[in-house]
Amino acid sequence: DAKTTQPTSMDCAEGRAANLPCNHSTISGNEYVYWYRQIHSQGPQYIIHGLKNNETNEMASLIITEDRKSSTLILPHATLRDTAVYYCIVRVAYGGDMRFGAGTRLTVKP
Amino acid sequence: GAVVSQHPSWVICKSGTSVKIECRSLDFQATTMFWYRQFPKQSLMLMATSNEGSKATYEQGVEKDKFLINHASLTLSTLTVTSAHPEDSSFYICSATSGTGGLREQYFGPGTRLTVT
Repeated sequence: DAKTTQPTSMDCAEGRAANLPCNHSTISGNEYVYWYRQIHSQGPQYIIHGLKNNETNEMASLIITEDRKSSTLILPHATLRDTAVYYCIVRVAYGGDMRFGAGTRLTVKP
Repeated sequence: GAVVSQHPSWVICKSGTSVKIECRSLDFQATTMFWYRQFPKQSLMLMATSNEGSKATYEQGVEKDKFLINHASLTLSTLTVTSAHPEDSSFYICSATSGTGGLREQYFGPGTRLTVT
């Protein structure tokens, strides 16, 4: 059973913010939300993760709702190189395996 | 961040032969390694989990006698596809994690593209 639900695809204009939603309504208290992306024919690249507080790093921001049932990954200024499939994954803290859903194919357009 | 490498990056083999794919953690000791495969236009599917010095745990539907996994050291795991057939053609990706307990990050390799002719 899929633990997360994401839109199949999204478009974003170059230079604008890309907001990628993810629903994880069955998330458990000990599960973190992770975001990875995969550029064509490469291995997944870690972006960010969080438990319940909003997080920000040099790549993106992660906004998690108060009830933790959904989250949004924000790429503040999308570039053409951000075109990729973005995966939202929930995973237990102590190192359970990463199981990938279908992800969202983000296309950044000039 | 931690680096995971895979070798080869791509390989072409004939049907019926075996091919070995290596996964190495370059700057950390990987207590657990994972193997995934990805068919075109599909997501990554977990094949197996291996802990150093132990037998691998395979996901349902993955043939353990066909996909041999060895995790003999803390920096190296190998996946051998035995008697490969064209339907085994896929993108194989490994990942590695270190430590026990707490929040253990998982680092992915660049993948190996296998084509069986």
